[in-house]
Amino acid sequence: GAGVSQTPSNKVTEKGKYVELRCDPISGHTALYWYRQSLGQGPEFLIYFQGTGAADDSGLPNDRFFAVRPEGSVSTLKIQRTERGDSAVYLCASSLGPRGSSTDTQYFGPGTRLTVL
Amino acid sequence: GENVEQHPSTLSVQEGDSAVIKCTYSDSASNYFPWYKQELGKRPQLIIDIRSNVGEKKDQRIAVTLNKTAKHFSLHITETQPEDSAVYFCAASIGPGDDKIIFGKGTRLHILP
Repeated sequence: GAGVSQTPSNKVTEKGKYVELRCDPISGHTALYWYRQSLGQGPEFLIYFQGTGAADDSGLPNDRFFAVRPEGSVSTLKIQRTERGDSAVYLCASSLGPRGSSTDTQYFGPGTRLTVL
Repeated sequence: GENVEQHPSTLSVQEGDSAVIKCTYSDSASNYFPWYKQELGKRPQLIIDIRSNVGEKKDQRIAVTLNKTAKHFSLHITETQPEDSAVYFCAASIGPGDDKIIFGKGTRLHILP
């Protein structure tokens, strides 16, 4: 079946602009995660959704970052007033069951490469 | 804060030899330890994971061992092949609800012909 998909694959924007990054999880997966990966680093946790609610948003770096998942499927990561330091690959992952369950294996999407000029 | 340390950062092994990557974690409550392989420009792919109720898990040429007392876990790849060349990340679950996965910085594995 289809894996996790993310759009756009690449996004170039100017400093100060607003961007939205979209994630389509695997159908039926209840849990969704956002990560940020900088060059030469491991994925850095941003936020975890279980269903429609954000179960843990402690990884969001500041209030310019916000994410939603209104119907418990597709999620959008929103970044306001982008800064050059926001440049990274933004990865989305989903799992069938919640963290801590026997079905919590996370499957990653291809990522969105965000470049802030 | 809670973290995961991974070493070495780079590893070169002769094709056919074994490779070992080691990780330590700080949260004694961590109970889930996945390993991901990431090729250049691609998404991370889960290769094996282990939960805290077992000490070792094996899947063909790949094995993971876990020592909860020492808070460290290791990835072992035997009979390495050129297609094993990639960056490998270890990770551990952390947090009050055990709901975050924290990744190590990665190990770049080179398989030499």
